Amino acid sequence: QKEVEQDPGPLSVPEGAIVSLNCTYSNSAFQYFMWYRQYSRKGPELLMYTYSSGNKEDGRFTAQVDKSSKYISLFIRDSQPSDSATYLCATHYGQNFVFGPGTRLSVLP
Amino acid sequence: GAGVSQTPSNKVTEKGKYVELRCDPISGHTALYWYRQSLGQGPEFLIYFQGTGAADDSGLPNDRFFAVRPEGSVSTLKIQRTERGDSAVYLCASSSYRGATYEQYFGPGTRLTVT
Repeated sequence: QKEVEQDPGPLSVPEGAIVSLNCTYSNSAFQYFMWYRQYSRKGPELLMYTYSSGNKEDGRFTAQVDKSSKYISLFIRDSQPSDSATYLCATHYGQNFVFGPGTRLSVLP
Repeated sequence: GAGVSQTPSNKVTEKGKYVELRCDPISGHTALYWYRQSLGQGPEFLIYFQGTGAADDSGLPNDRFFAVRPEGSVSTLKIQRTERGDSAVYLCASSSYRGATYEQYFGPGTRLTVT
Protein backbone atom coordinates (compact mmCIF):
# COMPACT_ATOMS: atom_id res chain seq x y z
CA GLN A 1 0.00 0.00 0.00
CA LYS A 2 1.37 3.40 -0.94
CA GLU A 3 1.56 5.94 1.85
CA VAL A 4 -0.50 8.47 -0.08
CA GLU A 5 -3.13 7.44 -2.59
CA GLN A 6 -4.79 9.74 -5.07
CA ASP A 7 -7.09 9.15 -8.04
CA PRO A 8 -4.92 10.04 -11.06
CA GLY A 9 -7.86 11.15 -13.17
CA PRO A 10 -7.95 12.71 -15.65
CA LEU A 11 -10.85 14.78 -14.43
CA SER A 12 -12.66 17.10 -16.84
CA VAL A 13 -15.18 19.69 -15.69
CA PRO A 14 -16.90 22.68 -17.31
CA GLU A 15 -15.83 26.18 -16.39
CA GLY A 16 -17.57 27.39 -13.22
CA ALA A 17 -17.99 23.92 -11.72
CA ILE A 18 -17.01 22.99 -8.19
CA VAL A 19 -14.11 20.56 -8.23
CA SER A 20 -13.43 18.02 -5.51
CA LEU A 21 -9.99 16.38 -5.34
CA ASN A 22 -9.25 13.71 -2.76
CA CYS A 23 -6.40 11.80 -1.16
CA THR A 24 -6.04 9.14 1.48
CA TYR A 25 -2.97 8.40 3.54
CA SER A 26 -1.99 5.40 5.58
CA ASN A 27 0.36 6.61 8.32
CA SER A 28 -1.28 8.31 11.29
CA ALA A 29 2.10 9.89 12.13
CA PHE A 30 1.61 12.35 9.30
CA GLN A 31 0.65 15.68 10.82
CA TYR A 32 0.82 18.27 8.06
CA PHE A 33 -0.94 18.22 4.73
CA MET A 34 -0.32 20.17 1.57
CA TRP A 35 -1.82 20.64 -1.85
CA TYR A 36 0.40 21.58 -4.77
CA ARG A 37 -0.56 22.63 -8.27
CA GLN A 38 1.75 21.60 -11.08
CA TYR A 39 1.44 22.96 -14.58
CA SER A 40 2.93 21.00 -17.46
CA ARG A 41 6.75 21.16 -17.48
CA LYS A 42 6.83 23.26 -14.31
CA GLY A 43 7.70 22.56 -10.69
CA PRO A 44 4.94 22.05 -8.10
CA GLU A 45 3.54 25.26 -6.61
CA LEU A 46 2.33 25.24 -2.99
CA LEU A 47 -1.39 26.04 -2.78
CA MET A 48 -2.48 25.10 0.71
CA TYR A 49 -0.77 23.95 3.91
CA THR A 50 -2.88 22.62 6.77
CA TYR A 51 -2.30 20.95 10.10
CA SER A 52 -5.44 20.27 12.03
CA SER A 53 -8.61 18.49 11.04
CA GLY A 54 -11.17 20.85 9.60
CA ASN A 55 -11.29 23.35 6.79
CA LYS A 56 -8.90 26.01 5.58
CA GLU A 57 -10.03 28.47 2.96
CA ASP A 58 -8.00 30.66 0.61
CA GLY A 59 -9.94 32.43 -2.10
CA ARG A 60 -11.60 29.87 -4.34
CA PHE A 61 -9.69 27.01 -2.68
CA THR A 62 -10.72 25.08 0.44
CA ALA A 63 -8.61 22.34 1.96
CA GLN A 64 -10.28 19.84 4.25
CA VAL A 65 -8.57 17.35 6.54
CA ASP A 66 -10.19 14.46 8.37
CA LYS A 67 -7.50 12.77 10.44
CA SER A 68 -9.90 10.20 11.86
CA SER A 69 -10.43 8.72 8.40
CA LYS A 70 -7.02 9.77 7.01
CA TYR A 71 -8.73 11.64 4.20
CA ILE A 72 -7.83 15.02 2.72
CA SER A 73 -9.68 17.03 0.11
CA LEU A 74 -9.25 20.14 -1.98
CA PHE A 75 -12.30 21.98 -3.28
CA ILE A 76 -12.06 24.54 -6.06
CA ARG A 77 -15.05 26.85 -6.48
CA ASP A 78 -15.91 28.61 -9.73
CA SER A 79 -13.24 26.65 -11.58
CA GLN A 80 -11.41 28.42 -14.39
CA PRO A 81 -9.53 27.10 -17.44
CA SER A 82 -6.38 28.43 -15.77
CA ASP A 83 -6.95 25.86 -13.00
CA SER A 84 -6.17 23.10 -15.52
CA ALA A 85 -3.13 21.38 -14.04
CA THR A 86 -2.08 18.37 -12.01
CA TYR A 87 -2.90 18.63 -8.31
CA LEU A 88 -0.62 16.83 -5.90
CA CYS A 89 -1.50 16.11 -2.31
CA ALA A 90 1.40 15.69 0.09
CA THR A 91 2.06 15.12 3.73
CA HIS A 92 5.00 15.00 6.08
CA TYR A 93 6.19 14.34 9.60
CA GLY A 94 9.45 16.01 10.39
CA GLN A 95 11.36 16.21 7.14
CA ASN A 96 9.83 13.08 5.63
CA PHE A 97 7.70 14.42 2.77
CA VAL A 98 5.50 12.03 0.80
CA PHE A 99 3.55 12.93 -2.33
CA GLY A 100 0.59 11.38 -4.05
CA PRO A 101 0.77 10.66 -7.79
CA GLY A 102 -1.37 13.69 -8.64
CA THR A 103 -4.78 14.19 -10.25
CA ARG A 104 -4.83 15.74 -13.71
CA LEU A 105 -7.62 18.33 -13.96
CA SER A 106 -8.95 19.94 -17.11
CA VAL A 107 -11.41 22.83 -16.86
CA LEU A 108 -13.15 23.26 -20.19
CA PRO A 109 -14.24 26.75 -21.30
CA GLY B 1 11.93 37.75 -4.65
CA ALA B 2 13.83 35.07 -6.52
CA GLY B 3 12.55 31.54 -6.24
CA VAL B 4 14.39 28.25 -6.48
CA SER B 5 16.36 27.99 -9.69
CA GLN B 6 17.71 24.87 -11.37
CA THR B 7 20.16 24.44 -14.19
CA PRO B 8 20.19 23.14 -16.80
CA SER B 9 16.49 23.03 -17.61
CA ASN B 10 17.09 20.11 -19.96
CA LYS B 11 19.95 17.66 -20.18
CA VAL B 12 20.37 14.91 -22.76
CA THR B 13 23.23 12.51 -22.16
CA GLU B 14 24.37 9.14 -23.37
CA LYS B 15 24.16 6.02 -21.28
CA GLY B 16 27.24 5.66 -19.11
CA LYS B 17 28.05 9.37 -18.92
CA TYR B 18 28.33 11.52 -15.80
CA VAL B 19 25.95 14.43 -15.18
CA GLU B 20 25.67 17.25 -12.65
CA LEU B 21 22.42 19.03 -11.87
CA ARG B 22 22.49 22.32 -9.99
CA CYS B 23 20.01 23.84 -7.54
CA ASP B 24 20.07 27.40 -6.20
CA PRO B 25 17.61 27.64 -3.28
CA ILE B 26 15.71 30.63 -1.96
CA SER B 27 18.08 32.88 -0.04
CA GLY B 28 18.02 32.12 3.67
CA HIS B 29 16.38 28.70 3.35
CA THR B 30 18.43 26.23 5.35
CA ALA B 31 16.68 23.06 4.18
CA LEU B 32 17.11 21.75 0.64
CA TYR B 33 15.57 18.66 -0.93
CA TRP B 34 16.09 16.72 -4.12
CA TYR B 35 13.25 14.75 -5.68
CA ARG B 36 12.83 12.70 -8.84
CA GLN B 37 9.56 12.77 -10.75
CA SER B 38 8.65 10.27 -13.43
CA LEU B 39 5.79 10.78 -15.86
CA GLY B 40 2.42 10.47 -14.15
CA GLN B 41 3.95 10.20 -10.69
CA GLY B 42 4.42 12.52 -7.77
CA PRO B 43 7.86 13.66 -6.67
CA GLU B 44 9.91 10.87 -5.09
CA PHE B 45 12.27 11.89 -2.28
CA LEU B 46 15.99 11.47 -2.88
CA ILE B 47 17.96 13.46 -0.31
CA TYR B 48 17.54 16.24 2.23
CA PHE B 49 20.12 18.76 3.44
CA GLN B 50 19.98 20.85 6.57
CA GLY B 51 22.74 23.39 6.11
CA THR B 52 25.80 21.73 4.59
CA GLY B 53 25.14 18.19 5.74
CA ALA B 54 22.97 15.51 4.22
CA ALA B 55 20.49 14.88 7.02
CA ASP B 56 18.69 12.09 5.15
CA ASP B 57 19.90 10.39 1.97
CA SER B 58 17.71 7.32 2.29
CA GLY B 59 15.96 8.03 -1.02
CA LEU B 60 19.06 7.84 -3.20
CA PRO B 61 18.47 4.73 -5.34
CA ASN B 62 22.08 3.50 -5.40
CA ASP B 63 25.68 4.64 -5.07
CA ARG B 64 25.71 6.16 -8.56
CA PHE B 65 23.79 9.08 -7.07
CA PHE B 66 25.49 11.64 -4.85
CA ALA B 67 24.68 15.19 -3.79
CA VAL B 68 26.63 17.96 -2.12
CA ARG B 69 25.91 21.35 -0.61
CA PRO B 70 29.37 22.56 0.44
CA GLU B 71 28.50 26.07 1.60
CA GLY B 72 24.94 25.52 2.75
CA SER B 73 23.38 27.21 -0.25
CA VAL B 74 23.78 25.86 -3.80
CA SER B 75 23.52 22.09 -4.17
CA THR B 76 24.66 19.76 -6.92
CA LEU B 77 23.17 16.34 -7.64
CA LYS B 78 25.69 14.09 -9.34
CA ILE B 79 24.84 10.93 -11.26
CA GLN B 80 27.60 8.59 -12.41
CA ARG B 81 27.37 5.99 -15.18
CA THR B 82 23.89 7.14 -16.14
CA GLU B 83 21.31 4.54 -17.16
CA ARG B 84 18.19 4.94 -19.29
CA GLY B 85 16.10 4.37 -16.16
CA ASP B 86 17.55 7.56 -14.70
CA SER B 87 15.53 9.57 -17.22
CA ALA B 88 13.11 11.76 -15.24
CA VAL B 89 12.57 15.29 -14.04
CA TYR B 90 14.81 16.12 -11.10
CA LEU B 91 13.22 18.66 -8.79
CA CYS B 92 14.84 20.70 -6.08
CA ALA B 93 12.94 22.35 -3.23
CA SER B 94 13.95 24.56 -0.34
CA SER B 95 12.17 25.44 2.85
CA SER B 96 12.44 27.47 5.99
CA TYR B 97 11.08 26.56 9.36
CA ARG B 98 7.98 28.59 10.27
CA GLY B 99 6.89 27.72 13.78
CA ALA B 100 6.00 24.05 13.54
CA THR B 101 5.78 23.84 9.76
CA TYR B 102 8.07 23.48 6.79
CA GLU B 103 6.71 25.02 3.60
CA GLN B 104 8.57 23.69 0.58
CA TYR B 105 9.10 25.73 -2.56
CA PHE B 106 10.07 23.92 -5.73
CA GLY B 107 12.23 24.88 -8.65
CA PRO B 108 11.18 24.25 -12.26
CA GLY B 109 13.17 21.03 -12.45
CA THR B 110 15.82 19.59 -14.75
CA ARG B 111 14.52 17.18 -17.36
CA LEU B 112 17.17 14.48 -17.76
CA THR B 113 17.06 12.19 -20.78
CA VAL B 114 19.53 9.32 -21.00
CA THR B 115 19.78 7.88 -24.51
